[in-house]
Amino acid sequence: AQTVTQSQPEMSVQEAETVTLSCTYDTSESNYYLFWYKQPPSRQMILVIRQEAYKQQNATENRFSVNFQKAAKSFSLKISDSQLGDTAMYFCAFMKGPGGGADGLTFGKGTHLIIQP
Amino acid sequence: DAGITQSPRHKVTETGTPVTLRCHQTENHRYMYWYRQDPGHGLRLIHYSYGVKDTDKGEVSDGYSVSRSKTEDFLLTLESATSSQTSVYFCATRALDEQYFGPGTRLTVT
Repeated sequence: AQTVTQSQPEMSVQEAETVTLSCTYDTSESNYYLFWYKQPPSRQMILVIRQEAYKQQNATENRFSVNFQKAAKSFSLKISDSQLGDTAMYFCAFMKGPGGGADGLTFGKGTHLIIQP
Repeated sequence: DAGITQSPRHKVTETGTPVTLRCHQTENHRYMYWYRQDPGHGLRLIHYSYGVKDTDKGEVSDGYSVSRSKTEDFLLTLESATSSQTSVYFCATRALDEQYFGPGTRLTVT
């Protein structure tokens, strides 16, 4: 079984600052995907960024980037130039890769990120 | 976004009553999932389906059953609701290596 650990229950930064959210995971799988989801107060689950384990290059989506360290089983999310709209719960999630069947996502417990004006 | 709707969006029910939550998708995705979200736990998988009439248990399946008679519909049933099943329930579908989530159902068991 897989486990995902987010060690920061809550973080608070000033608008325009850069913030890094931590995530570690444990798995015996060699092929898998990692995700960061954002959940604003509306409750909707929004995919922020994804990483395929076989890719060494870190994924980037506009102001969001990841630092994927496969050997260390670490997958942190960096938000640059943070904005008030980034205030939300952020969940790190793991999914088995192709051939892993229909298994769902394994989530961490989340980090509540607050962007202060 | 995948067209995923959940009904009802909010429900209050009494302990011991049966409850069915419905998930409907318009994308013809094969895989569907039910998760529950509780404070301090993130989202946890209850049941999933890999095709019509094909379902399996997830991490927290006790007290829940599911059915999938059509590709587009995945039902979650609480046979006899308990207060510990007060939660927000999310349905999701999967296409290739991404999951798409519905808007969630807030269920309160009093």
